[in-house]
Amino acid sequence: SQTIHQWPATLVQPVGSPLSLECTVEGTSNPNLYWYRQAAGRGLQLLFYSVGIGQISSEVPQNLSASRPQDRQFILSSKKLLLSDSGFYLCAWRPRERSYGYTFGSGTRLTVV
Amino acid sequence: QKEVEQDPGPLSVPEGAIVSLNCTYSNSAFQYFMWYRQYSRKGPELLMYTYSSGNKEDGRFTAQVDKSSKYISLFIRDSQPSDSATYLCAMIKLGGATNKLIFGTGTLLAVQP
Repeated sequence: SQTIHQWPATLVQPVGSPLSLECTVEGTSNPNLYWYRQAAGRGLQLLFYSVGIGQISSEVPQNLSASRPQDRQFILSSKKLLLSDSGFYLCAWRPRERSYGYTFGSGTRLTVV
Repeated sequence: QKEVEQDPGPLSVPEGAIVSLNCTYSNSAFQYFMWYRQYSRKGPELLMYTYSSGNKEDGRFTAQVDKSSKYISLFIRDSQPSDSATYLCAMIKLGGATNKLIFGTGTLLAVQP
């Protein structure tokens, strides 16, 4: 069966520090991968998606970036965090042949202080 | 105007009540309609999905889609305290490489024992 792992679960970082959140998927190949951010009362906002290794599309201009160095690995990064980057970050994957089959990770709660 | 509108609640009901959760949308191109349940500090989990218009039932849960009114609903019968969570509607318009998932803001439900 397929599983998605996301870490860390909680992170407190000072303003201006770098960020690296990692997500891996097991039990599947060639998944579509997604990074979402959830702010209180604002639903889930799509940040990045990837349809293959090295292929990244950005939905929202910001100081975050994403990379996909391996087929089942998706990384969210920042060189310098802002207070406004605080939020709940969720990684998700879906099989290419199933449009509705999104599965989410357990999330990372990031607090920038 | 947001593509998907959802009343944030909170909605508080007594145990055993029938719960009705709703979303409206503006884009007639949406074809898949999903309901996710999200417990506090966890990732969303897919409850039900419907393709195009119609009803779908799964145990105590019933999802309805009315594309003519651009309105979707989730009904929970015999609600339980364990149903207390945030319920997110989500929609997909097919086409392109991503079939992006667009979320409502979520409705916080509390079922009182």
